[in-house]
Amino acid sequence: AQSVAQPEDQVNVAEGNPLTVKCTYSVSGNPYLFWYVQYPNRGLQFLLKYITGDNLVKGSYGFEAEFNKSQTSFHLKKPSALVSDSALYFCAVRDSGDYKLSFGAGTTVTVRA
Amino acid sequence: DTGVSQDPRHKITKRGQNVTFRCDPISEHNRLYWYRQTLGQGPEFLTYFQNEAQLEKSRLLSDRFSAERPKGSFSTLEIQRTEQGDSAMYLCASSFQTGTGSTEAFFGQGTRLTVV
Repeated sequence: AQSVAQPEDQVNVAEGNPLTVKCTYSVSGNPYLFWYVQYPNRGLQFLLKYITGDNLVKGSYGFEAEFNKSQTSFHLKKPSALVSDSALYFCAVRDSGDYKLSFGAGTTVTVRA
Repeated sequence: DTGVSQDPRHKITKRGQNVTFRCDPISEHNRLYWYRQTLGQGPEFLTYFQNEAQLEKSRLLSDRFSAERPKGSFSTLEIQRTEQGDSAMYLCASSFQTGTGSTEAFFGQGTRLTVV
């Protein structure tokens, strides 16, 4: 079984401040981890993934995420948030031997000017 | 546009009617997935195709739901005798599986179904 928890429904930050969106996961095997972003009435847009290798992965639009195996976490970060980063963010996981993704419930990020 | 394409973008139907959605994946992708997303929730897996073969169906996919992927290209998802609980965003995704791994899944913009 695999699952994802996003403990915060909403994250509010001021433009220019650091942004963190939290994610913890559970899988029986090796985790493949993903972050997606969704804008209103749109599909999911891929941001970044962790498969293997460096624990810090860099993705699109200045986002990065840190894989922490001991804490089973994969938090999304951006050093300086923009108003345009306001959106719904989803963390997803799949076991390395599986193909289907399990998503968290999502975190709404609001960046105020 | 070389991304995943879904049609229609929006569908309003009366309860009891049948609806069909289409998904055109990225052309070289051999894996295709359908997910359903309800308000305030993350997407939930419905079904998966490897080329033209449907390899897994979620328990969420009742007998009223059927999906096909003829010739391993586009896919259709049909819902028969729609119910109000079927109202959701239906997302299609595709990825490419190689011998050593798979690309990430790329999602379409979704079809929003409203059953009235």
